[in-house]
Amino acid sequence: EDQVTQSPEALRLQEGESSSLNCSYTVSGLRGLFWYRQDPGKGPEFLFTLYSAGEEKEKERLKATLTKKESFLHITAPKPEDSATYLCAAATSGGYNKLIFGAGTRLAVHP
Amino acid sequence: EAQVTQNPRYLITVTGKKLTVTCSQNMNHEYMSWYRQDPGLGLRQIYYSMNVEVTDKGDVPEGYKVSRKEKRNFPLILESPSPNQTSLYFCASTETRTAPYEQYFGPGTRLTVT
Repeated sequence: EDQVTQSPEALRLQEGESSSLNCSYTVSGLRGLFWYRQDPGKGPEFLFTLYSAGEEKEKERLKATLTKKESFLHITAPKPEDSATYLCAAATSGGYNKLIFGAGTRLAVHP
Repeated sequence: EAQVTQNPRYLITVTGKKLTVTCSQNMNHEYMSWYRQDPGLGLRQIYYSMNVEVTDKGDVPEGYKVSRKEKRNFPLILESPSPNQTSLYFCASTETRTAPYEQYFGPGTRLTVT
């Protein structure tokens, strides 16, 4: 069964304290690995797509990487406005555009 | 502005009273889908549509119906809602039927069934 697992469930950081969020996946034929940001009461907002192992994407303080078993979202020198839930999702060979989501990591960055 | 809209944003209803949640996108996307989000479970796909008049079940379709009569609209219908359908619902769309490009999500509809 296709599965995406995110860890930790919640993460509290001080402003400027860098860290990484993990997304491990067990799927049949990965076609794309997505990262989304979700603010309370809002829909997920697209951040990155990674298509193959070794690929990296960056946007401001965020950097996403992909291996054959997991993806990491690295947050460098986070600010309070980075506080949100970060969702990881996999698109597989068997599901057209269906995304299999992890449960998310709730990130809180304190000044 | 490119967007996916949903209505209503909040809905409280009673068991068995039919309801429809509307979804509309202005990006001329072929693919649209509905997800529900529950604590600890992540988002799970309910139904999807690859084009007008083409719909199929996702992972949790029981108790839901959809239709796609126009490319821009993809309503979600609960013919006899039950309390276990209390959830946060999201509509999403993407430009192609097959390639895994990013999906655009609506703002969500919070449904409570008593």
